[in-house]
Amino acid sequence: SHVVTQPPSVSVAPGQTARITCGANNIGSETVHWYQQKPGQAPLMVVSHDTDRPSGIPERFSGSNSGNTATLTISSVEAGDEADYYCQVWNTSTDQSWVFGGGTTLTVL
Amino acid sequence: QVQLVESGGGVVPPGRSLRLSCAASGFIFSRSSMHWVRQAPGKGLEWVAVISFDGSSKYYADSVKGRYTISRDNSKNTVVLQADSLRPDDTAFYYCAKGWESLDHWGQGTLVTVSS
Repeated sequence: SHVVTQPPSVSVAPGQTARITCGANNIGSETVHWYQQKPGQAPLMVVSHDTDRPSGIPERFSGSNSGNTATLTISSVEAGDEADYYCQVWNTSTDQSWVFGGGTTLTVL
Repeated sequence: QVQLVESGGGVVPPGRSLRLSCAASGFIFSRSSMHWVRQAPGKGLEWVAVISFDGSSKYYADSVKGRYTISRDNSKNTVVLQADSLRPDDTAFYYCAKGWESLDHWGQGTLVTVSS
């Protein structure tokens, strides 16, 4: 099965830049989507198709994808960004499946 | 605005069935594919199933294949997940979400607890 790996946690001070990675063999050849989930809430898409930002998502959120790593970058981090973040890919290599990474908890110090 | 409202969750003994529904509004439902995604308490997201806009294509996670069935009624703007032969490890919040490759809007979820 397709495995997508995220670090369990990332910590950053307010105003700094947070980078959350999503790793898989040749993930750069796939399209990656990112979701934010705050406690008690449903997930919210913050980046789609590697780099696109849905309406209403601040410009501080950006994405990149190359080689074996996709990255969600949050600049000028705010306390309100504290949440779990999940990457997701659409795997079409064998049977169709949608795969989530294990999630990364972002802590704002 | 897009609204997705799940219902049908509850407590059920192992081996029994449950029927989850998701009522959609605020977009052209008949043109949108729909997913179910679940999240065990304190755990990460797990994709469960997807159905294409017209119901002609359906895909399932290996963990639910043969036990769960996804369907839709475009006349009622509703997508349904029939969950049979439930096991304790099926306990989770179940979310419906809109989209195909990406899941651009999510409901608030309904909790399914499988316990004797």
